Amino acid sequence: DGGITQSPKYLFRKEGQNVTLSCEQNLNHDAMYWYRQDPGQGLRLIYYSQIVNDFQKGDIAEGYSVSREKKESFPLTVTSAQKNPTAFYLCASNRENEQFFGPGTRLTVL
Amino acid sequence: GNSVTQMEGPVTLSEEAFLTINCTYTATGYPSLFWYVQYPGEGLQLLLKATKADDKGSNKGFEATYRKETTSFHLEKGSVQVSDSAVYFCAHYFKAAGNKLTFGGGTRVLVKP
Repeated sequence: DGGITQSPKYLFRKEGQNVTLSCEQNLNHDAMYWYRQDPGQGLRLIYYSQIVNDFQKGDIAEGYSVSREKKESFPLTVTSAQKNPTAFYLCASNRENEQFFGPGTRLTVL
Repeated sequence: GNSVTQMEGPVTLSEEAFLTINCTYTATGYPSLFWYVQYPGEGLQLLLKATKADDKGSNKGFEATYRKETTSFHLEKGSVQVSDSAVYFCAHYFKAAGNKLTFGGGTRVLVKP
């Protein structure tokens, strides 16, 4: 089955630690995206990548970093500079004008 | 600028009631329009879409029509079920804007038996 996988589903970290969220797709899509969702709110774009080895900041990139070394993978690192990292993180990929979403990772900072 | 506005929730309905969720957008041009659904604890799933004016998207009993004159894409379902309880997101897409989706704030729908 083709799709997008995100791991882990739940992630806990201590304040001040960096943490990396995984996103993998086997849909052969060029473009990939990271969104943040806070309780009761919509989605905000963190970073996106339209092609391997290239990525752009979204609306709330501060405190986050990404890499795109392979077409299939677009990991997101939440750094200690992110002041309020507890949230639900969603990864997506794009084919033509349609986005496909992974199941999400819920990050909690203790 | 480009934006999407949808009605705030929560919307609470009884089973078999009629559901409408309003969505309007601002855009320079003619975007593609989408409704996504998010069930508790999950990612977003595409519910339906329309790519040009007067197109009607439909899926699982839900419908929405692309109205260019009113810049709207309201979601409707004639008879909701408990299983339709979820958060619904309206979105538009511009290829010229870097292949990015712009989302509305989401509308939580709760259907009671």
